[in-house]
Amino acid sequence: TQLLEQSPQFLSIQEGENLTVYCNSSSVFSSLQWYRQEPGEGPVLLVTVVTGGEVKKLKRLTFQFGDARKDSSLHITAAQPGDTGLYLCAGNFGNEKLTFGTGTRLTIIP
Amino acid sequence: KAGVTQTPRYLIKTRGQQVTLSCSPISGHRSVSWYQQTPGQGLQFLFEYFSETQRNKGNFPGRFSGRQFSNSRSEMNVSTLELGDSALYLCASSLAMGQGETQYFGPGTRLLVL
Repeated sequence: TQLLEQSPQFLSIQEGENLTVYCNSSSVFSSLQWYRQEPGEGPVLLVTVVTGGEVKKLKRLTFQFGDARKDSSLHITAAQPGDTGLYLCAGNFGNEKLTFGTGTRLTIIP
Repeated sequence: KAGVTQTPRYLIKTRGQQVTLSCSPISGHRSVSWYQQTPGQGLQFLFEYFSETQRNKGNFPGRFSGRQFSNSRSEMNVSTLELGDSALYLCASSLAMGQGETQYFGPGTRLLVL
């Protein structure tokens, strides 16, 4: 069974600060996705990374895929209250099922 | 284009009962996947349907079942409910199957088993 560990589990920071959350696995991903889930809603896809070492930017969010395709990070610059939510990574391990990480619950304090 | 819709949004049942949840995918999407989300276990894959056939299945007991209709709408059923079945059940649709397909999630059905 492939496991995705996310850290930290909870993170609470002030508006304007920077933060990084991590997603790690002992297995190689064929692709990895990051989602954000807000209360009362389903997860919404933010980005998909496929190539080892790949970096993608989405406004203030920067996503990095590890060279060995076993880990990924999400960096948020100048966090805003609207960034509050549950951040989930999800990986494909060569089959068609998505395996989700344990999640990072982020709270941005105004 | 309307998003994925799930009904009902909230449900309260008692142990031993059964429940049926419904999911309407985005128009034109033919693949529907179901997930269970709990605070302790996170998001776990239940099963995926494509063209009315179950294509993939997660590690859940046989009490969890599903089906897909010719219009791609899907239902999942849980029989003999247990307290541990209390969870948010999420449905996701995609155009087709495969790793490259983007899944779009519905808002979920929150099930409470008493």
